[in-house]
Amino acid sequence: NAGVTQTPKFRVLKTGQSMTLLCAQDMNHEYMYWYRQDPGMGLRLIHYSVGEGTTAKGEVPDGYNVSRLKKQNFLLGLESAAPSQTSVYFCASSYLGQEFYGYTFGSGTRLTVV
Amino acid sequence: GDSVTQMEGPVTLSEEAFLTINCTYTATGYPSLFWYVQYPGEGLQLLLKATKADDKGSNKGFEATYRKETTSFHLEKGSVQVSDSAVYFCALSSNQAGTALIFGKGTTLSVSS
Repeated sequence: NAGVTQTPKFRVLKTGQSMTLLCAQDMNHEYMYWYRQDPGMGLRLIHYSVGEGTTAKGEVPDGYNVSRLKKQNFLLGLESAAPSQTSVYFCASSYLGQEFYGYTFGSGTRLTVV
Repeated sequence: GDSVTQMEGPVTLSEEAFLTINCTYTATGYPSLFWYVQYPGEGLQLLLKATKADDKGSNKGFEATYRKETTSFHLEKGSVQVSDSAVYFCALSSNQAGTALIFGKGTTLSVSS
């Protein structure tokens, strides 16, 4: 099915470990986003990309890095995981002119850092 | 900066009750407004949207009207079902190139039979 695919779906990390979350979309969307969802906090933007090879910081970028080497993929990296990064991570994508179409979301990655 | 404020939940209703979830916003210019729904264990899905003042978005029996005078976009449904139990997010787009949607904190709706 067309859409946004996130891998992995679940992961448990030890403090200090690193990992990369992969987001892939097959809709030829220009824009891609990484959000984290925490209880009582809603969705907060981590990083986003407006096109291949470009990235920008969102509201809560510290401790994360991203790359958009191919238009269809947007990677989120944690270099040294901390318990505060325990969260559910959502990737989303949208067309240019997203104000009229909204976003398509992936099903999320539940990350626990112990 | 731009922001979205939603009523805090949880909202607990009986089946066939009337639903209102309040959403107000602060923005410069003329934002577009959205409601997203998140069912348990899933990602967010676009429920409805409105792109200019007085527009009414509707889908699956849900409605919301873009009220610029009160800076509001309240979600309503005349008769809720158990299957409507989910978390609902109000969101705003500032319509500036290169900016992302801003989400409210979400409102949990629980409908019992």
